[in-house]
Amino acid sequence: QVQLVQSGAEVKKPGASVKISCKASGYTFTSFYLHWVRQAPGQGLEWMGTINPSGGSTGYAQKFQGRVTMTRDTSTSTVYMELSSLRSEDTAVYYCARVISSGWRRFDYWGQGTLVTVSS
Amino acid sequence: DIQMTQSPSSLSASVGDRVTITCRASQSIDNYLNWYQQKPGKAPKLLIYAASSLQSGVPSRFSGSGSGTDFTLTISSLQPEDFATYYCQQSYVTPFTFGQGTRLEIK
Repeated sequence: QVQLVQSGAEVKKPGASVKISCKASGYTFTSFYLHWVRQAPGQGLEWMGTINPSGGSTGYAQKFQGRVTMTRDTSTSTVYMELSSLRSEDTAVYYCARVISSGWRRFDYWGQGTLVTVSS
Repeated sequence: DIQMTQSPSSLSASVGDRVTITCRASQSIDNYLNWYQQKPGKAPKLLIYAASSLQSGVPSRFSGSGSGTDFTLTISSLQPEDFATYYCQQSYVTPFTFGQGTRLEIK
């Protein structure tokens, strides 16, 4: 069965960086883009960017350009999202979600979420 | 960026009620509109994709319609497990954007 399993909760100080992993299983890793979506406490969903596991190409929301880096390791079917220069407003649950590389684009499977808390 | 606007922001309804949530895009998105359900502490769950296609395993009481800029999600007969927050999302172009959410509460 398809699974996206994310790394555990993180507590970081302002100015630090965080790197979250998302390990895929149950499907062909290179056939689906992986996206990152975050949700601040009590707030809605915010798209951060995407990575194509096949070639490693990325696309980021302008809001996060310069602060976010998405990478992948095809040997372990894992994608990573690193966010730098953390501030309190980055406190959120971060989700990875997959999107089929062709056809109607939708987030059909999601990771369980990773809570990142930014606090001094 | 394409703005997605949902209405209402919150809604109180009873078990058995028919409920409709609307979503409007700031420009045409063809049929690239998806609906998700989210329960507290859980990841969103895909309900409807391509505006009207029911995701596998989702009960048939959920349906979607619309194209261009105006879309609706309808729940034909509310069940206790349907009380949650619902989001629309456009996948026409990146950045993929979500509506602000509609919180469906028990009356």
